[in-house]
Amino acid sequence: KQEVTQIPAALSVPEGENLVLNCSFTDSAIYNLQWFRQDPGKGLTSLLLIQSSQREQTSGRLNASLDKSSGRSTLYIAASQPGDSATYLCAITSGTYKYIFGTGTRLKVLA
Amino acid sequence: EPEVTQTPSHQVTQMGQEVILRCVPISNHLYFYWYRQILGQKVEFLVSFYNNEISEKSEIFDDQFSVERPDGSNFTLKIRSTKLEDSAMYFCASSELGLYGYTFGSGTRLTVV
Repeated sequence: KQEVTQIPAALSVPEGENLVLNCSFTDSAIYNLQWFRQDPGKGLTSLLLIQSSQREQTSGRLNASLDKSSGRSTLYIAASQPGDSATYLCAITSGTYKYIFGTGTRLKVLA
Repeated sequence: EPEVTQTPSHQVTQMGQEVILRCVPISNHLYFYWYRQILGQKVEFLVSFYNNEISEKSEIFDDQFSVERPDGSNFTLKIRSTKLEDSAMYFCASSELGLYGYTFGSGTRLTVV
């Protein structure tokens, strides 16, 4: 059964730092991996989608990488800002049309 | 940009009552989904729906739950007799073609008292 784990569970950094969020999954046979942002009490905003044949995706200050063989993905946030404060969720699909989510990393960027 | 719309944003109901959560998927999407997130826990898949029938459901989606697409625009989740443990944020999602264009709504927070 596929399990998705995110480390760390929470992270607090000063503004301007570059940071890395980690996601690991137990079964490397994934179809794609997606990173989402969730603000408190709000919905899920898609950040980056990496298909299984891809190694990374970039959007602005965000870069996500995927290493299927080791069962890992990282989300790199450059020059963090207070507006980046949110929970970041990693989710994977494995051949069906449902997402399996990790527990998330709660990020706080201090001004 | 097209959105998945969910109503209401927050619903409070008494234990044992029936609730219907409503969703308007993106208009040209063919696949529809419900997820839930109990406070402090993971987002969990409930059910997927395609071509007017359930295509996959999780263990959570028992006989208390049902989904319907009553017309060409709405997609609903019904909980027949709510329990305290049904309190959660419920997310609707839709996709154009399988995983392509997968978009989540902003959620309905259900509180069962």
